[in-house]
Parts: sequence; C-alpha cells; structure tokens
Amino acid sequence: AQTVTQSQPEMSVQEAETVTLSCTYDTSESNYYLFWYKQPPSRQMILVIRQEAYKQQNATENRFSVNFQKAAKSFSLKISDSQLGDTAMYFCAFMKPNSGYALNFGKGTSLLVTP
Amino acid sequence: DTAVSQTPKYLVTQMGNDKSIKCEQNLGHDTMYWYKQDSKKFLKIMFSYNNKELIINETVPNRFSPKSPDKAHLNLHINSLELGDSAVYFCASSPPGLRHGYTFGSGTRLTVV
Repeated sequence: AQTVTQSQPEMSVQEAETVTLSCTYDTSESNYYLFWYKQPPSRQMILVIRQEAYKQQNATENRFSVNFQKAAKSFSLKISDSQLGDTAMYFCAFMKPNSGYALNFGKGTSLLVTP
Repeated sequence: DTAVSQTPKYLVTQMGNDKSIKCEQNLGHDTMYWYKQDSKKFLKIMFSYNNKELIINETVPNRFSPKSPDKAHLNLHINSLELGDSAVYFCASSPPGLRHGYTFGSGTRLTVV
C-alpha cells in the first residue's frame, strides 16, 4: 500500500509570510497523481492543487505552489503571502492507476496563520 | 447548487441503533466514495462505487453497507452502532481519470452515545 507521510503535525506562520508544508510518499509506480487538500474549521475538504507525476513542471495555483521531486518522492506545498483564511488542516494525498481512484491521505498538518 | 450534498450534517444516536447517511451529487460524475475521518483527523477510504458498481470495499465491519440506487446517489447504512463508529463521514465524487481529484461533501459528524 502507498504511504503518505506529513512530518509536521503543526505549523505556524505570520500573515504575509511564506510557509512550506512537507510531504513524502512511497510508491513503486511511475504514473500517479498527487494532491493537496485544505480543511478549514468549517470541515469542508477543498482541493488546493494537483500534480501529475509525469509532468516535471511544478504546479501553481495563485499563492499556492508545489515543489515536486519525483526521485526523492517529495511533494511539498508552498503558501506565499499567507492570509488568515489559510488557517486549516492541510492533507497531502496520492492516487495511482488501477486503484479504483482511491486517495491515500497523509495525517495532515495543522497550519495556523497569525496576525 | 451544492455539488455533493450529504444529509444529515450532524447525527447523534445511541449505541445499538441503525442509521443512514445520504449522499447525492449533481456533477454527473461516475465514481462516488465514502471516507471516514477519525478523531485524529485521519481520512481513510471505506467504499467506492463506479456507475452503481462496488469497486472498493476496504476492511470495514459488515455493519456498514453502502447502497447506490443510481450513479448520482451513494448512501451509507450502519447497523448496530458502536461507540467507535463516532467520526466524520465524507462522501465524495470524481469524474473518470486520475487527474481530477475529488469533490467532497461537507461531511456528517456521527456521535454515538
């Protein structure tokens, strides 16, 4: 089974600063997808960004970008210009072919943005 | 215009009862899922259905039974509820292909007392 590891249970960042959340995964597959989901206190799961393993270019969505290192099996999320509304749990997730599209999640990182 | 809607949002019930959680998506997606989020926030897949056909059935007590009457609906029925069933249950859906990820419902917080 694929494992997804988020080594930072909690992080804190000041408003307007940049923060990076780490994620590593373990797989023998060459084709797969990686995702970051955000879960604010409202409980809603929100897709932040996704990365296709065969694309070398790192995905970017506004203030959110990833650093995808395929050989190192690393998929970190960078949040620039942090805002109070970014306070949430962030989950890294992995999906591989022939798995019924099952998402394997990491245990999450709780991010607190302070004024 | 909710894309994936779950009802109820909160459910408090006594041990031993039977309860159902309903899920509907209006996105035209082929695949639907149930995930369980435990008290430590860990999310784990329980079931997935593709066009009403069961695709994934993880190691879940057989007190949990999913039902998909059509591809827009996936309900979860739980018999003989136990204290350990207390969790947040998320329904989700996705279109064909790996790259899209899921659209999640807002979750159902189940509390068994």
